[in-house]
Amino acid sequence: KAGVTQTPRYLIKTRGQQVTLSCSPISGHRSVSWYQQTPGQGLQFLFEYFSETQRNKGNFPGRFSGRQFSNSRSEMNVSTLELGDSALYLCASSAERLAGVDEQFFGPGTRLTVL
Amino acid sequence: KQEVTQIPAALSVPEGENLVLNCSFTDSAIYNLQWFRQDPGKGLTSLLLIQSSQREQTSGRLNASLDKSSGRSTLYIAASQPGDSATYLCAVNNNAGNMLTFGGGTRLMVKP
Repeated sequence: KAGVTQTPRYLIKTRGQQVTLSCSPISGHRSVSWYQQTPGQGLQFLFEYFSETQRNKGNFPGRFSGRQFSNSRSEMNVSTLELGDSALYLCASSAERLAGVDEQFFGPGTRLTVL
Repeated sequence: KQEVTQIPAALSVPEGENLVLNCSFTDSAIYNLQWFRQDPGKGLTSLLLIQSSQREQTSGRLNASLDKSSGRSTLYIAASQPGDSATYLCAVNNNAGNMLTFGGGTRLMVKP
Protein backbone atom coordinates (compact mmCIF):
# COMPACT_ATOMS: atom_id res chain seq x y z
CA LYS A 1 0.00 0.00 0.00
CA ALA A 2 1.18 3.48 -0.76
CA GLY A 3 1.82 5.66 2.27
CA VAL A 4 0.47 9.08 3.09
CA THR A 5 1.45 11.58 0.42
CA GLN A 6 1.65 15.34 0.74
CA THR A 7 2.00 17.96 -1.95
CA PRO A 8 3.84 20.14 -2.50
CA ARG A 9 6.90 19.14 -0.51
CA TYR A 10 8.31 22.66 -0.39
CA LEU A 11 6.70 26.07 -0.65
CA ILE A 12 7.99 29.61 -0.40
CA LYS A 13 5.45 32.38 0.07
CA THR A 14 5.50 35.99 1.17
CA ARG A 15 3.66 37.58 4.06
CA GLY A 16 0.00 38.24 3.37
CA GLN A 17 -0.37 35.53 0.75
CA GLN A 18 -2.43 32.41 1.20
CA VAL A 19 -1.44 28.79 0.70
CA THR A 20 -3.15 25.44 0.19
CA LEU A 21 -1.54 22.15 1.16
CA SER A 22 -2.79 18.75 0.10
CA CYS A 23 -2.76 15.35 1.78
CA SER A 24 -3.75 11.97 0.35
CA PRO A 25 -4.25 9.36 3.07
CA ILE A 26 -3.46 5.67 2.88
CA SER A 27 -6.10 3.91 0.81
CA GLY A 28 -9.05 2.97 3.01
CA HIS A 29 -8.18 5.41 5.79
CA ARG A 30 -10.98 7.78 6.69
CA SER A 31 -9.39 10.02 9.30
CA VAL A 32 -6.90 12.73 8.36
CA SER A 33 -5.19 14.95 10.91
CA TRP A 34 -2.91 17.94 10.41
CA TYR A 35 -0.01 19.05 12.59
CA GLN A 36 2.39 21.98 12.58
CA GLN A 37 6.00 21.44 13.60
CA THR A 38 8.29 24.33 14.52
CA PRO A 39 11.60 24.38 16.41
CA GLY A 40 10.09 26.52 19.16
CA GLN A 41 6.70 24.91 19.69
CA GLY A 42 7.35 21.36 18.57
CA LEU A 43 4.49 19.36 17.08
CA GLN A 44 1.06 20.88 17.54
CA PHE A 45 -2.31 19.54 16.46
CA LEU A 46 -4.23 21.68 13.97
CA PHE A 47 -7.40 19.74 13.15
CA GLU A 48 -8.80 16.35 12.26
CA TYR A 49 -11.29 15.40 9.59
CA PHE A 50 -13.35 12.25 9.47
CA SER A 51 -15.94 11.49 6.80
CA GLU A 52 -15.70 15.05 5.45
CA THR A 53 -16.46 16.58 8.87
CA GLN A 54 -14.09 18.39 11.17
CA ARG A 55 -14.08 16.24 14.29
CA ASN A 56 -11.39 17.92 16.39
CA LYS A 57 -9.73 21.31 16.30
CA GLY A 58 -6.56 22.56 17.93
CA ASN A 59 -5.81 26.00 19.28
CA PHE A 60 -4.94 27.85 16.09
CA PRO A 61 -6.41 31.08 14.68
CA GLY A 62 -9.16 31.06 12.10
CA ARG A 63 -6.61 31.77 9.35
CA PHE A 64 -5.97 28.02 9.43
CA SER A 65 -8.74 26.00 7.85
CA GLY A 66 -9.18 22.65 6.21
CA ARG A 67 -11.54 20.35 4.45
CA GLN A 68 -11.88 16.74 3.46
CA PHE A 69 -13.28 15.37 0.25
CA SER A 70 -15.42 12.29 -0.30
CA ASN A 71 -12.33 10.26 -1.29
CA SER A 72 -10.77 11.19 2.11
CA ARG A 73 -8.17 13.47 0.57
CA SER A 74 -7.72 16.59 2.64
CA GLU A 75 -6.52 20.12 2.11
CA MET A 76 -5.50 22.76 4.58
CA ASN A 77 -5.44 26.45 3.83
CA VAL A 78 -3.61 29.24 5.58
CA SER A 79 -4.70 32.75 4.71
CA THR A 80 -2.84 36.02 5.32
CA LEU A 81 0.46 34.29 5.96
CA GLU A 82 2.69 35.50 8.76
CA LEU A 83 6.41 34.90 9.27
CA GLY A 84 5.56 32.65 12.22
CA ASP A 85 3.65 30.27 9.94
CA SER A 86 6.95 28.99 8.58
CA ALA A 87 6.95 25.36 9.61
CA LEU A 88 6.82 21.74 8.57
CA TYR A 89 3.17 20.80 8.09
CA LEU A 90 2.49 17.12 8.61
CA CYS A 91 -0.59 15.14 7.83
CA ALA A 92 -1.49 11.77 9.33
CA SER A 93 -4.12 9.21 8.48
CA SER A 94 -5.66 6.31 10.34
CA ALA A 95 -8.09 3.56 9.48
CA GLU A 96 -10.53 4.30 12.32
CA ARG A 97 -11.66 0.73 12.78
CA LEU A 98 -12.47 1.58 16.38
CA ALA A 99 -12.65 5.02 17.90
CA GLY A 100 -9.35 6.23 19.28
CA VAL A 101 -7.43 2.98 19.01
CA ASP A 102 -5.86 3.16 15.61
CA GLU A 103 -2.26 3.78 14.72
CA GLN A 104 -1.58 7.03 12.92
CA PHE A 105 0.67 7.13 9.88
CA PHE A 106 2.38 10.32 8.85
CA GLY A 107 3.32 11.75 5.49
CA PRO A 108 6.68 13.35 4.64
CA GLY A 109 5.39 16.85 5.30
CA THR A 110 5.26 20.14 3.44
CA ARG A 111 7.98 22.62 4.33
CA LEU A 112 6.47 26.13 4.20
CA THR A 113 8.75 29.15 4.30
CA VAL A 114 7.18 32.59 4.64
CA LEU A 115 9.39 35.53 3.65
CA LYS B 1 -4.88 20.05 29.35
CA GLN B 2 -2.59 17.13 28.55
CA GLU B 3 1.14 17.78 28.79
CA VAL B 4 3.77 15.33 27.59
CA THR B 5 7.40 15.49 28.69
CA GLN B 6 10.33 13.53 27.35
CA ILE B 7 13.57 13.04 29.20
CA PRO B 8 16.39 13.33 28.28
CA ALA B 9 16.15 15.93 25.53
CA ALA B 10 19.34 14.59 23.96
CA LEU B 11 21.38 11.46 24.38
CA SER B 12 24.68 10.30 22.92
CA VAL B 13 25.77 6.69 23.34
CA PRO B 14 28.35 4.37 21.82
CA GLU B 15 27.15 1.68 19.46
CA GLY B 16 25.94 -1.49 21.13
CA GLU B 17 24.54 0.09 24.29
CA ASN B 18 21.05 -0.63 25.53
CA LEU B 19 19.16 2.55 26.28
CA VAL B 20 15.91 3.83 27.73
CA LEU B 21 13.94 6.87 26.64
CA ASN B 22 11.34 8.26 28.98
CA CYS B 23 7.95 9.85 28.39
CA SER B 24 5.55 11.19 31.01
CA PHE B 25 2.05 12.60 30.64
CA THR B 26 -0.18 14.48 33.05
CA ASP B 27 -3.64 13.15 32.16
CA SER B 28 -3.86 9.38 32.52
CA ALA B 29 -7.22 9.12 30.71
CA ILE B 30 -5.61 8.15 27.43
CA TYR B 31 -6.82 5.92 24.61
CA ASN B 32 -3.35 5.03 23.44
CA LEU B 33 0.28 6.09 23.30
CA GLN B 34 2.43 5.98 20.21
CA TRP B 35 6.20 6.18 19.76
CA PHE B 36 7.61 7.71 16.59
CA ARG B 37 10.97 8.24 15.03
CA GLN B 38 11.82 11.35 13.00
CA ASP B 39 14.91 11.77 10.86
CA PRO B 40 16.05 15.35 10.17
CA GLY B 41 13.68 17.20 7.87
CA LYS B 42 11.48 14.15 7.41
CA GLY B 43 8.06 12.98 8.48
CA LEU B 44 7.33 10.68 11.41
CA THR B 45 7.71 6.91 11.29
CA SER B 46 5.48 4.98 13.66
CA LEU B 47 7.45 2.59 15.85
CA LEU B 48 5.02 1.21 18.40
CA LEU B 49 1.42 1.76 19.45
CA ILE B 50 0.29 0.82 22.95
CA GLN B 51 -3.41 0.72 23.74
CA SER B 52 -4.53 1.99 27.13
CA SER B 53 -5.32 -1.58 28.24
CA GLN B 54 -1.85 -2.87 27.34
CA ARG B 55 1.33 -2.85 29.39
CA GLU B 56 3.91 -3.21 26.64
CA GLN B 57 4.58 -3.74 22.98
CA THR B 58 7.65 -5.14 21.22
CA SER B 59 9.00 -4.81 17.73
CA GLY B 60 12.45 -6.18 16.98
CA ARG B 61 14.98 -4.42 19.19
CA LEU B 62 12.34 -2.01 20.49
CA ASN B 63 10.18 -2.48 23.55
CA ALA B 64 7.75 0.10 24.86
CA SER B 65 6.01 -0.09 28.20
CA LEU B 66 3.06 1.85 29.53
CA ASP B 67 2.11 2.58 33.13
CA LYS B 68 -1.07 4.55 32.69
CA SER B 69 -1.75 5.11 36.37
CA SER B 70 1.58 6.82 36.91
CA GLY B 71 1.50 8.59 33.54
CA ARG B 72 4.69 7.06 32.19
CA SER B 73 6.01 5.20 29.20
CA THR B 74 9.49 4.02 28.35
CA LEU B 75 11.04 3.04 25.04
CA TYR B 76 13.83 0.51 25.39
CA ILE B 77 16.27 0.13 22.49
CA ALA B 78 18.50 -2.91 22.65
CA ALA B 79 21.95 -3.09 21.10
CA SER B 80 21.83 0.40 19.62
CA GLN B 81 23.21 1.01 16.12
CA PRO B 82 24.31 4.19 14.31
CA GLY B 83 21.21 3.85 12.14
CA ASP B 84 19.09 4.38 15.26
CA SER B 85 20.28 8.00 15.38
CA ALA B 86 17.16 10.16 15.10
CA THR B 87 14.68 12.08 17.22
CA TYR B 88 12.23 9.88 19.11
CA LEU B 89 8.82 11.30 19.93
CA CYS B 90 6.07 9.97 22.12
CA ALA B 91 2.48 11.06 21.68
CA VAL B 92 -0.73 10.35 23.57
CA ASN B 93 -4.30 10.30 22.36
CA ASN B 94 -6.87 11.44 24.92
CA ASN B 95 -9.67 11.62 22.46
CA ALA B 96 -12.03 9.27 20.69
CA GLY B 97 -10.82 10.89 17.52
CA ASN B 98 -7.23 11.21 16.44
CA MET B 99 -5.72 14.16 18.25
CA LEU B 100 -2.20 13.47 19.44
CA THR B 101 -0.35 15.49 22.05
CA PHE B 102 3.39 15.20 21.50
CA GLY B 103 6.36 15.42 23.79
CA GLY B 104 9.35 17.53 22.82
CA GLY B 105 11.34 14.50 21.70
CA THR B 106 14.66 12.91 22.58
CA ARG B 107 17.46 13.46 20.07
CA LEU B 108 19.51 10.27 19.99
CA MET B 109 23.02 9.97 18.57
CA VAL B 110 24.61 6.52 18.40
CA LYS B 111 28.33 6.74 17.72
CA PRO B 112 30.14 3.97 15.82
